[in-house]
Amino acid sequence: DAKTTQPNSMESNEEEPVHLPCNHSTISGTDYIHWYRQLPSQGPEYVIHGLTSNVNNRMASLAIAEDRKSSTLILHRATLRDAAVYYCILRVSNRDDKIIFGKGTRLHILP
Amino acid sequence: DTGVSQDPRHKITKRGQNVTFRCDPISEHNRLYWYRQTLGQGPEFLTYFQNEAQLEKSRLLSDRFSAERPKGSFSTLEIQRTEQGDSAMYLCASSLVGDYREQYFGPGTRLTVT
Repeated sequence: DAKTTQPNSMESNEEEPVHLPCNHSTISGTDYIHWYRQLPSQGPEYVIHGLTSNVNNRMASLAIAEDRKSSTLILHRATLRDAAVYYCILRVSNRDDKIIFGKGTRLHILP
Repeated sequence: DTGVSQDPRHKITKRGQNVTFRCDPISEHNRLYWYRQTLGQGPEFLTYFQNEAQLEKSRLLSDRFSAERPKGSFSTLEIQRTEQGDSAMYLCASSLVGDYREQYFGPGTRLTVT
């Protein structure tokens, strides 16, 4: 499975936008980019996914570089509840099985 | 709307004892996954089922580990002769079958082996 690289940790102020980067230089044409997050003492939860175009949902936006070698998860207005570990994951479209998690980015939100 | 539930939430056991965890997936989900997570690491895949069939097992799943999903509904994960290295959070997730279906995770069972 293709690997992703994320910063170990980031900080942001409450009510400001947060941009979480992810590098995936070895991504293949059939890999989808998924983001999950894990709040303290909880299991991971799905955030968003995309292939080539930017995507928006109620939780976040996903901006994908034109060459697909990197992507950015955007939280438009961070709240204290968004403090979590965010995982950027590549999933092959025709293989719906296990998720390979990295270490993710621990996001700290400052009040 | 009931999500994925896991029981127990915490388990403390002595080295050498056997333990069993239970996972109840979202009712219409036919795929069920087990992951293990140690401190500071992301979850690691252990095994998954489609209905009652176990389709893949990780190399991490030693002979002391066994998982079942007898009627395609709930699943159990048993660890025999526990070792201190088995101390971890054991997470269960479920999903529908289909391309890039999101997985819904339970709260996990935290195992401590003393």
